[in-house]
Amino acid sequence: SAVISQKPSRDICQRGTSLTIQCQVDSQVTMMFWYRQQPGQSLTLIATANQGSEATYESGFVIDKFPISRPNLTFSTLTVSNMSPEDSSIYLCSASRGDTEAFFGQGTRLTVV
Amino acid sequence: AQSVAQPEDQVNVAEGNPLTVKCTYSVSGNPYLFWYVQYPNRGLQFLLKYITGDNLVKGSYGFEAEFNKSQTSFHLKKPSALVSDSALYFCAVRDRAGFQKLVFGTGTRLLVSP
Repeated sequence: SAVISQKPSRDICQRGTSLTIQCQVDSQVTMMFWYRQQPGQSLTLIATANQGSEATYESGFVIDKFPISRPNLTFSTLTVSNMSPEDSSIYLCSASRGDTEAFFGQGTRLTVV
Repeated sequence: AQSVAQPEDQVNVAEGNPLTVKCTYSVSGNPYLFWYVQYPNRGLQFLLKYITGDNLVKGSYGFEAEFNKSQTSFHLKKPSALVSDSALYFCAVRDRAGFQKLVFGTGTRLLVSP
């Protein structure tokens, strides 16, 4: 298994500002992903974080709004840019190695006021 | 495109009784199937997976799931429910030919009463 640490665990931000969420895995992984989840609801994939190259975004998500970095095999960041109240959600980092299960961080609960 | 359906928003069961949380999937080719559990204010915890082999898969905390290819189902089961099993359960599927991203169902809230 892998242990994933996400920071911050929660934050309250002013609209129009940006927040960067960090995801650190305790060992090298092949794939890293970022999800969004409304409390009590399902997960929606934002993007796949690719090591050393641009992230692969899902339909409805764009790089200008959600820039992602992955400088190495154990670390990734997601920035939520120019935030509005609609961005209030839980953001989850996930990682996997090849043909194994994915592991998840504890999530970042973001509230935009 | 792959998809997962969890037809029940909520399942209620009394402690000590067996529980079933339903999941059906749609994917081209053979699937990788997963169950995760989420407790309040926590991330997702992996319960079990089906990759290949035995259709009955055993996982964490006494849970098991049965892969049924003809019915495209992967129902989660436990012989005797505990109050502490109360949580949100997600079924997920990955296309073996895909890029390892998971598609999640809508989730089923399990409530186990004392």
